[in-house]
Amino acid sequence: EIVLTQSPGTLSLSPGERATLSCRASQSVSSSYLAWYQQKPGQAPRLLIYGASSRATGIADRFSGSGSGTDFTLTISRLEPEDFAVYYCQQYGNSPLTFGGGTKVEIK
Amino acid sequence: EVELLESGGGLVQPGGSLRLSCAASGFTFSTYAMNWVRQAPGKGLEWVSSINGGGSNIYYADSVKGRFTISRDNSRNTVYLQMNSLRPDDTALYYCAKRDGCGNGGCYYDYWGQGTLVTVSS
Repeated sequence: EIVLTQSPGTLSLSPGERATLSCRASQSVSSSYLAWYQQKPGQAPRLLIYGASSRATGIADRFSGSGSGTDFTLTISRLEPEDFAVYYCQQYGNSPLTFGGGTKVEIK
Repeated sequence: EVELLESGGGLVQPGGSLRLSCAASGFTFSTYAMNWVRQAPGKGLEWVSSINGGGSNIYYADSVKGRFTISRDNSRNTVYLQMNSLRPDDTALYYCAKRDGCGNGGCYYDYWGQGTLVTVSS
């Protein structure tokens, strides 16, 4: 099973700042089959990125994904107030699919 | 508009059973794999089980294999999760999720329900 380690656990930033979230896999993720989700309190997760770098339908272009192999990054270019949430990565290239433990982006 | 509505959660004693349902609408249900993902209170996400559109391919996480059974009724646009021999560590919010695309090891999900809470406690 691929273990996904997300860092940092918590990121304290101000609106307008750039956020860089890391997701590291314990082994190479096949074909960059990696997704990112955003989850706000009391809500279900929302798909942001799939295939490591493709934005899901309706996702703002301030969200971008990059990486391959074992190292992946989600970047939020300029934080908006609605972006403060928990972010999870998920790999679906190797069975069983697994999720990272999450990074909380909080207002500084 | 895609909607997923879970039901069937509740409080159950260890060793007990529950059956979760997820009623879907807004898409051609029979052509999409459906999935259950859970989230323990204050914790991260854990994939539980998947079933393909026709119901012939089924997968489980090791943590629930032999205790949980996923099924679907395409005439009712509903997917189920029968949970037996429940344990306290099964306590979680159970989400139903629709697959979007897939890789070699599973799928990613574009629509999620709001979840149904399962609490296993004496």
